[in-house]
Amino acid sequence: SQKIEQNSEALNIQEGKTATLTCNYTNYSPAYLQWYRQDPGRGPVFLLLIRENEKEKRKERLKVTFDTTLKQSLFHITASQPADSATYLCALLIYNQGGKLIFGQGTELSVKP
Amino acid sequence: SAVISQKPSRDICQRGTSLTIQCQVDSQVTMMFWYRQQPGQSLTLIATANQGSEATYESGFVIDKFPISRPNLTFSTLTVSNMSPEDSSIYLCSVGEGADQPQHFGDGTRLSIL
Repeated sequence: SQKIEQNSEALNIQEGKTATLTCNYTNYSPAYLQWYRQDPGRGPVFLLLIRENEKEKRKERLKVTFDTTLKQSLFHITASQPADSATYLCALLIYNQGGKLIFGQGTELSVKP
Repeated sequence: SAVISQKPSRDICQRGTSLTIQCQVDSQVTMMFWYRQQPGQSLTLIATANQGSEATYESGFVIDKFPISRPNLTFSTLTVSNMSPEDSSIYLCSVGEGADQPQHFGDGTRLSIL
């Protein structure tokens, strides 16, 4: 069956450390993988998109890797801050399904001062 | 990026009634999507609404239960019909400009059915 799995446990880290979130998928062939941030009571906000032929993408303190052999994406936040505390969602875009995004269940990140 | 406004932001409804949720975008967009997010869960796509064509529904969602309108390139509505407590959820609309573009979301409608 097709699945997208993110760290099910909440991730608690100390301010200034690097947070690493995992997104694994099975039985999908995604064209793109996207990461979103969702704060309580708000809609998801787009962070980064990485294509199947890209290994790594960076934006300021954020870095995403995409390994289509391992079927895994890693999302890193360096020099984390309490303001980075939120739920982070990965989403796959599948070639033969138009613009449809399939979301993982999200990982809740808490950065302590 | 597009700014999306959803109305109402929340509502409490009686079983058996229907509620129409509005999604207004501040610019013309090609693709609009409707999602459901149940408490503590991720987003599940209900349907894709493109202007000028019938909405495309995902498995498990039917037009009779979730009729959608898309009268122009800046507006869409989702109706949740004949509601039951199982329909209690957050309903979100999003917009996108193509398969390789990010989606931009509204803040959702929090719906509780008594």
